[in-house]
Amino acid sequence: ELKVEQNPLFLSMQEGKNYTIYCNYSTTSDRLYWYRQDPGKSLESLFVLLSNGAVKQEGRLMASLDTKARLSTLHITAAVHDLSATYFCAVVFSYNNNDMRFGAGTRLTVKP
Amino acid sequence: DAGITQSPRHKVTETGTPVTLRCHQTENHRYMYWYRQDPGHGLRLIHYSYGVKDTDKGEVSDGYSVSRSKTEDFLLTLESATSSQTSVYFCAITGSSGDHNEQFFGPGTRLTVL
Repeated sequence: ELKVEQNPLFLSMQEGKNYTIYCNYSTTSDRLYWYRQDPGKSLESLFVLLSNGAVKQEGRLMASLDTKARLSTLHITAAVHDLSATYFCAVVFSYNNNDMRFGAGTRLTVKP
Repeated sequence: DAGITQSPRHKVTETGTPVTLRCHQTENHRYMYWYRQDPGHGLRLIHYSYGVKDTDKGEVSDGYSVSRSKTEDFLLTLESATSSQTSVYFCAITGSSGDHNEQFFGPGTRLTVL
């Protein structure tokens, strides 16, 4: 069964703190994406991870991929209020490049 | 912005009525997708198209049909809308981003079925 599990689903952080969002998936994947969604808006692409050990960083966000563990992480460093949003991981499984499965999303709230 | 528009952006309809949502793209992308977004589920693929008149089912295709008679337009039809189809619908295309392809999403259509 094709599954993408994301945790936590809700995350409330203080500004300046660090935290990690986890994304597990059930079977072989060709690539993994992280998206950000603001309330009432569309999805914005943050990172695409293509191979084992891939690490991408943009500002206070860093994403990594371990294909052997079928795990991706999105690490938040020194959170600021502007990072408040919902974050989704999405996995393209190897059997069909057009079938992208999403995690349920992590709703992040950063408090002053 | 990958040149994707969706219409209508908001719609309220009644159970049993037919509804068609339109996705329009201006950059000649071959692949187009329809997703629905519901709380607790992320996005789920309904149908996708890999060319004019070429479509395939996604994870949650029951109750939906699609058509693509022109490259730029991908239509999603609910033949007889039900309350369980109340959702936000996103269209997407596959486009190039540097050394890889990725999906870019339209602004969404909020559909309410009463």
